[in-house]
Amino acid sequence: QLVLTQSPSASASLGASVKLTCTLNSGHSIYSIAWHQQQPEKGPRYLMRLYSDGRHIRGDGIPDRFSGSSSGAERYLTISSLQSEDEADYYCQTWATGIVVFGGGTKLTVL
Amino acid sequence: EVQLLESGGALVQFGGSLRLSCAASGFTLSNYAISWVRQAPGKGLEWVSLITGSGGNTYYADSVKGRFTISRDNSKNTLYLQMNSLRVEDTAVYFCARGDSSGGAFDYWGQGTVVTVSS
Repeated sequence: QLVLTQSPSASASLGASVKLTCTLNSGHSIYSIAWHQQQPEKGPRYLMRLYSDGRHIRGDGIPDRFSGSSSGAERYLTISSLQSEDEADYYCQTWATGIVVFGGGTKLTVL
Repeated sequence: EVQLLESGGALVQFGGSLRLSCAASGFTLSNYAISWVRQAPGKGLEWVSLITGSGGNTYYADSVKGRFTISRDNSKNTLYLQMNSLRVEDTAVYFCARGDSSGGAFDYWGQGTVVTVSS
């Protein structure tokens, strides 16, 4: 069974950096994931695809303030130079044949 | 510009049926796998169903298997979700999302359509 785990909440100050974590369950540490952002009252927006080796490919128009990295079963999203509009829910997503899985989401508050 | 536009959401009674549509523009639908994803009020994202680019393969979450049917009309560049035997717990915003060229990551999303099932 494919499972992604995220912390429910995170916070950081305006202009600072924050690192969000998404953890793959045992036996799935080589899986790639995607990160998505959902601002209040909006549909999700694709941020990037993140590989197990840390390579990441950002979506169209996504600024390089958003970056990804990996370590074992952990997948990270780092947002630098935080802006007020970065306050949003962040979801990780993974997939296998016939199934797609989302993490529970992390609500990021920009202080 | 890639766009996905959902429609068809409505208020429907328990046990009723509804068909959602997702109109694609800016790309050829037949070249991509497309999914439906839903979000219940105040909750996270839940994958519902996927159809491959050729339309030859379809997949469903256990929560909707046997009640929902995904299909596509490539000539109209449109995706559908037929929802039968609706339950109160199907109440959600329904999004369509495109799988990227490698098939897995959802690289474009629609804005969603609201389905409310009343008891």
